[in-house]
Amino acid sequence: GAVVSQHPSRVICKSGTSVKIECRSLDFQATTMFWYRQFPKQSLMLMATSNEGSKATYEQGVEKDKFLINHASLTLSTLTVTSAHPEDSSFYICSAKSTGSREKLFFGSGTQLSVL
Amino acid sequence: QQPVQSPQAVILREGEDAVINCSSSKALYSVHWYRQKHGEAPVFLMILLKGGEQKGHEKISASFNEKKQQSSLYLTASQLSYSGTYFCGIVITGNQFYFGTGTSLTVIP
Repeated sequence: GAVVSQHPSRVICKSGTSVKIECRSLDFQATTMFWYRQFPKQSLMLMATSNEGSKATYEQGVEKDKFLINHASLTLSTLTVTSAHPEDSSFYICSAKSTGSREKLFFGSGTQLSVL
Repeated sequence: QQPVQSPQAVILREGEDAVINCSSSKALYSVHWYRQKHGEAPVFLMILLKGGEQKGHEKISASFNEKKQQSSLYLTASQLSYSGTYFCGIVITGNQFYFGTGTSLTVIP
């Protein structure tokens, strides 16, 4: 089956630093990737939809200058949390859409971000 | 945009059945169902694309009523491995995918 690789799986950083999270589709081309954030015991909230070669579409309330998304190729999307603060601590997860599998989404393993 | 699930939480004994409902205020193109264990990524269960469609996965099945903008997930003869949080997911345009509010399912011996 299709595989989505997400790195790092866990990151601890100091307040004010930037963190980059990578999401790669390993054996298929993903024209669309989604980025979600999940707080403990809550649902996965869509942050943005990323389309290859174009600007990401951000959900209402998500700061585009803080959460920079780049989808430069059909197999790679990155999320950069800029000037991270403790309230940005969360589980971030990406998913990729494969057009050859009836709209099924494939998920990365997630990144647990802890900002001290 | 986020679909609402009910119940929020349910506790079952092994072998009992459960129904999880997912309701959207938007017209649906498709409904997905996922199960997530603590600290892990969601695991795909099934997609329903047509109104009134029913599908099955082991002892887990689902229905999709396109007109009512609702979907239900049926778990029969529950097993301990069914424990987790279940999410429905909806596509309301050709591109955006939203998860439901989630239902925590705990199966006890």
